[in-house]
Amino acid sequence: DGGITQSPKYLFRKEGQNVTLSCEQNLNHDAMYWYRQDPGQGLRLIYYSQIVNDFQKGDIAEGYSVSREKKESFPLTVTSAQKNPTAFYLCAILRVVGGLSYNEQFFGPGTRLTVL
Amino acid sequence: SQQGEEDPQALSIQEGENATMNCSYKTSINNLQWYRQNSGRGLVHLILIRSNEREKHSGRLRVTLDTSKKSSSLLITASRAADTASYFCATDQGGSEKLVFGKGTKLTVNP
Repeated sequence: DGGITQSPKYLFRKEGQNVTLSCEQNLNHDAMYWYRQDPGQGLRLIYYSQIVNDFQKGDIAEGYSVSREKKESFPLTVTSAQKNPTAFYLCAILRVVGGLSYNEQFFGPGTRLTVL
Repeated sequence: SQQGEEDPQALSIQEGENATMNCSYKTSINNLQWYRQNSGRGLVHLILIRSNEREKHSGRLRVTLDTSKKSSSLLITASRAADTASYFCATDQGGSEKLVFGKGTKLTVNP
């Protein structure tokens, strides 16, 4: 998991409530990503940010929002507009070696969100 | 969009046997990567192969890439029970810093 922290590991919320998932990194990397994973499925990109104060939508951004006010932090808010929010959420950073990016990503441990 | 598709979806073998997983993709790539995920955990990067490479080794892992067939394989030799996990291939989108993941192969190695 390296220097990427996601908290909490398990999160329970009532339907209709917004909830914010935390992702913090101390690796000084610029690019950060949020993925959603459903059982037996691969990862789908929600949002990503390549630099502070800038972010782009991924493939399934509807019902989610993000902010990138600091390099170290990229929180994801699951809003009440997300129709099926129960899933495993993974945060990742892009690994850069010697100033070159090879798209290799380091992942946090994930947060399992259950909406009741 | 699902770029990489792994095959088989599930694989069960005995300890000591080799495990082979395949990945097919649709568009041109700069590189292809394989990741491993233990149950309920984050993904761990295993190996990256560039589009101009055909084969790469890392310990008990061997990855091949055939860009003409848009496919890759991951071979784990002399498997161990600790290799039990899901394995995903991921491709870039022609130089983008985004990755597209397949649905994964769930490998079970029986002791």
